[in-house]
Amino acid sequence: EAGVAQSPRYKIIEKRQSVAFWCNPISGHATLYWYQQILGQGPKLLIQFQNNGVVDDSQLPKDRFSAERLKGVDSTLKIQPAKLEDSAVYLCASSLHGGAQNTEAFFGQGTRLTVV
Amino acid sequence: AQSVSQHNHHVILSEAASLELGCNYSYGGTVNLFWYVQYPGQHLQLLLKYFSGDPLVKGIKGFEAEFIKSKFSFNLRKPSVQWSDTAEYFCAVNSPRTGANNLFFGTGTRLTVIP
Repeated sequence: EAGVAQSPRYKIIEKRQSVAFWCNPISGHATLYWYQQILGQGPKLLIQFQNNGVVDDSQLPKDRFSAERLKGVDSTLKIQPAKLEDSAVYLCASSLHGGAQNTEAFFGQGTRLTVV
Repeated sequence: AQSVSQHNHHVILSEAASLELGCNYSYGGTVNLFWYVQYPGQHLQLLLKYFSGDPLVKGIKGFEAEFIKSKFSFNLRKPSVQWSDTAEYFCAVNSPRTGANNLFFGTGTRLTVIP
């Protein structure tokens, strides 16, 4: 089975520029997550979608970050404008659905963002 | 709020040594518990998970973990490590309530196995 696909793998931008990341989850997975992993830390949830609806975006810095999953399949995460502290790996994950016995999340390889 | 603590930041072992990585969580309700591994240059992969039932969980590649509810712990063990176990290990927890089932991760433990 194909895994979670993310692109690009790497991105370097200057501060105040904008950037977008793309994620295609595993086919049939209703739940999609975006995590931010800063160097030396564990992944931190930014936003969770159930189909095309937002379930949890409490940790998303909404003044600069936005995400959408318009058709309930692939998703984009945007940062505008970027700050130096946004340098991190952005991980996309998906799971079958949000039910208690199916919460195993499968992760993509991530996009490593460097803001200079 | 949920939180996960991994007290060992970097562990160095020789091949064939036994491994135990600590994981403690704080949450008063029912939890699901996970260990993920990230090999160099690869994505996070699930090692094992605990949802309910037998608190001793066996995962892939000879790993196991024991859920001790009274200690809020879910330590990862392997009796004999191999060089190929060199990786970063993350403990994670979520609560099985309807809707948001996002994972709360610890800061990770880097394991280096010396041949």
